[in-house]
Amino acid sequence: AQTVTQSQPEMSVQEAETVTLSCTYDTSESDYYLFWYKQPPSRQMILVIRQEAYKQQNATENRFSVNFQKAAKSFSLKISDSQLGDAAMYFCAYRDSNTGTASKLTFGTGTRLQVTL
Amino acid sequence: EPEVTQTPSHQVTQMGQEVILRCVPISNHLYFYWYRQILGQKVEFLVSFYNNEISEKSEIFDDQFSVERPDGSNFTLKIRSTKLEDSAMYFCASSPDRERAPLHFGNGTRLTVT
Repeated sequence: AQTVTQSQPEMSVQEAETVTLSCTYDTSESDYYLFWYKQPPSRQMILVIRQEAYKQQNATENRFSVNFQKAAKSFSLKISDSQLGDAAMYFCAYRDSNTGTASKLTFGTGTRLQVTL
Repeated sequence: EPEVTQTPSHQVTQMGQEVILRCVPISNHLYFYWYRQILGQKVEFLVSFYNNEISEKSEIFDDQFSVERPDGSNFTLKIRSTKLEDSAMYFCASSPDRERAPLHFGNGTRLTVT
């Protein structure tokens, strides 16, 4: 079974600075998809960024980018120019390909990000 | 932008009672999911649903749980006889395809079992 590990329960960053959240995963598949979701205090789950395993290029969405290292099974999220609104719980998630069925997301345990002035 | 909507936002029930959590997925999506999140813990998969049947379910999804898509728009999760440990946030999600697209989540229903 696939597992997703987030080893940082909490992180803190100053406003305007850069922070990197770590994620590793375990899978025997070669094709899959990776996601970062943000959960603010409202508890809504908001997609931040996605990465296809077959693409070597790291995904970027405005201030958010990933460092995808397929051989190391690592998928970290970098937030540049951090803003107060970035404060939230961040979940790394994995989704299988070629399952033949509705493929579920498997989540990590989350990293709580605090943004300070 | 289309959204997944869930009702109610908060449900309080007594232990042993049946509850039905309701979801309206995004209209052109074909794959549907329920997840739960016990306070302060990770988001756990319960069940996936496609073509009017369950595709996969987790160990949590025992005989007390059932899902239904009664009318082509709603997607419901029923808990037959609630336990205290069922207290959690329940998220519905939908996706237009089975693997590539991200899941779109609703705002969740907070279930409190007393």
